[in-house]
Formats: sequence, structure tokens, C-alpha cells
Amino acid sequence: DTEVTQTPKHLVMGMTNKKSLKCEQHMGHRAMYWYKQKAKKPPELMFVYSYEKLSINESVPSRFSPECPNSSLLNLHLHALQPEDSALYLCASSQDPASYNEQFFGPGTRLTVL
Amino acid sequence: AQSVAQPEDQVNVAEGNPLTVKCTYSVSGNPYLFWYVQYPNRGLQFLLKYITGDNLVKGSYGFEAEFNKSQTSFHLKKPSALVSDSALYFCAVRDVTDKLIFGTGTRLQVFP
Repeated sequence: DTEVTQTPKHLVMGMTNKKSLKCEQHMGHRAMYWYKQKAKKPPELMFVYSYEKLSINESVPSRFSPECPNSSLLNLHLHALQPEDSALYLCASSQDPASYNEQFFGPGTRLTVL
Repeated sequence: AQSVAQPEDQVNVAEGNPLTVKCTYSVSGNPYLFWYVQYPNRGLQFLLKYITGDNLVKGSYGFEAEFNKSQTSFHLKKPSALVSDSALYFCAVRDVTDKLIFGTGTRLQVFP
């Protein structure tokens, strides 16, 4: 299995809702990432998990809460989002965070906040 | 700080012609450079990388890239473009904290 899967593909939520995005990989990768991508822009790093521990938080607002339950799973919990948070949320993984291996990206979750 | 620049927002090329998508970099230390492609409403797909070794790097789908240290460039190339190559291409550099720093992207349009 050489892919990163993300669910759901699309999500529409109100500003008072609580929802979660899920990411899964079975490649034995020990680093996992969350990115936010606006239309026609490059991905922006949000969080990095290294060996299931949060290693980088790019000053992301607390309404985004990451979780890494095990080495294969990465969640992003969403609460009280704003319309400007609407974007494509990408998950990625790489073999080893300390090496210069490529990152494998999932297809993303298209989030719309009303 | 590490950075990459993609000077062209869009590149147009006729099918069958060679294509080049430009990328220049600014790094302290050794550069670790990557190219990714993104099709509409999809995630990024890895094409190729330069870590060390030969300056000409071969990647997926017939793409290759030439690392040029004197010009601090890492241009993506393909000898013969396909309509299906039309997509958004990102150059990226790995910084010292292992973050990927992306360029602004170049939209490649291949016309039949």
C-alpha cells in the first residue's frame, strides 16, 4: 500500500460545528503532516508529527487541533471555524522526518465553512 | 532562510514540443530540492528530487530536472509534452527544520 488516504473528500460545516478530518497511511512512515491550501496557492504547513509526537506547529489557531492516535493515523479536529478557513486540507507522510525523503500526499479534504 | 522562486505563473507549450518549468533556489548549505505536480482538486504527486550526485535527475512520467549550482537553478524538463501534462507544478526546498518550502507554482498548459 503506497498511498495516503483522507476522509471525507468534501466537508461543509457551520461556524459552530465540530468536525474531524482523518488521514491514514500504511507505508510505515514515521512523519505525518497537515497542510492548508488555498486555490491556486502553494500548500502551507500547519503541523508536523514525528514518531507520533507533535514536532512543529506553525502558529496555527487553536480552533484546529491535531491528533496522532498511532503511527498510521492522523486527525485534525475542527471547532468554531471561520469562513476564511475554507480550503483544501492536505495530509502527507514521509519515511523519516530527519532524512530528506519525499513526502507522499493524500488527495485532500475540500472544506467549506459557512 | 531557504526559499525557491518560480518566475513564471504559466507556461504554454504545444503537444510534442519540449517543455521547461523554471525554478531557482536560495539556500544556506546543501540544497535538497523537489518537484511536485498537482492536478485539479487533487493532492500533490512527487515527480523527482535532488539530494546529491548527478546534476541530471530523472523522475516520473518522463520528467527530468537539471541541478545547476552556479545558476542556483533546478528547472523541470520533458523532451515531448503531452496534453495530459497540463497541471500545476510546484518546486520545493527542504529547510534545516525538515519543512518543505514551496514555490508559488507554475501552471503548465499543453495545447493539442
